[in-house]
Amino acid sequence: EVQLVESGGGLVQPGRSMKLSCAASGFTFSNYGMAWVRQAPTKGLEWVATISYDGSSTYYRDSVKGRFTISRDNAKSTLYLQMNSLRSEDTATYYCTEGLAYWGQGTLVTVSS
Amino acid sequence: IQLTQSPSLLSASVGDRVTLSCKGSQNINNYLAWYQQKLGEAPKLLIYNTNSLQTGIPSRFSGSGSGTDYTLTISSLQPEDVATYFCYQYNNGLTFGSGTKLEIK
Repeated sequence: EVQLVESGGGLVQPGRSMKLSCAASGFTFSNYGMAWVRQAPTKGLEWVATISYDGSSTYYRDSVKGRFTISRDNAKSTLYLQMNSLRSEDTATYYCTEGLAYWGQGTLVTVSS
Repeated sequence: IQLTQSPSLLSASVGDRVTLSCKGSQNINNYLAWYQQKLGEAPKLLIYNTNSLQTGIPSRFSGSGSGTDYTLTISSLQPEDVATYFCYQYNNGLTFGSGTKLEIK
């Protein structure tokens, strides 16, 4: 059974940093590109960042470029999202996904003083 | 590519045939999926590549379309179908529609 389990969310002050993790199991993680998608409270889904299967290519939405870094450790089957200089508008549930069928349950990040 | 979903809110009766629309700002080349999201849950894939039914999804769900215009159809609405439905294109980057909230009348 495919499982994606996010962790690392919580309450953080504006301007601070937070690192999310997503532990994958049940599929060959190293064969898949992966992405982070977020959803602000009561809002729609928003793509955040994508990384290629081997980590050689990364892509970001404009609003997080220069602040967020997506990375992966294929030996540990884990995806990461390092978030720096957090803003109130980054408040959302963050999901990791292989980009189509596999989604985690999400981890809530709240940016507030 | 931007995706525009309509309507934003749809109220229908159990047993009704329901049609949800998704229009892209550019050709999506059939790389279009539909998700169902219930309150407090992660999105669930229903349809991928325009019309391929994901494993385990009831056959009352179907997708169609081409170019910039795509449709999700529920042939006979069931109470458990109450949810928000998002379209999603993966032809050029990754983009989601703003969603259609489906309610039972």
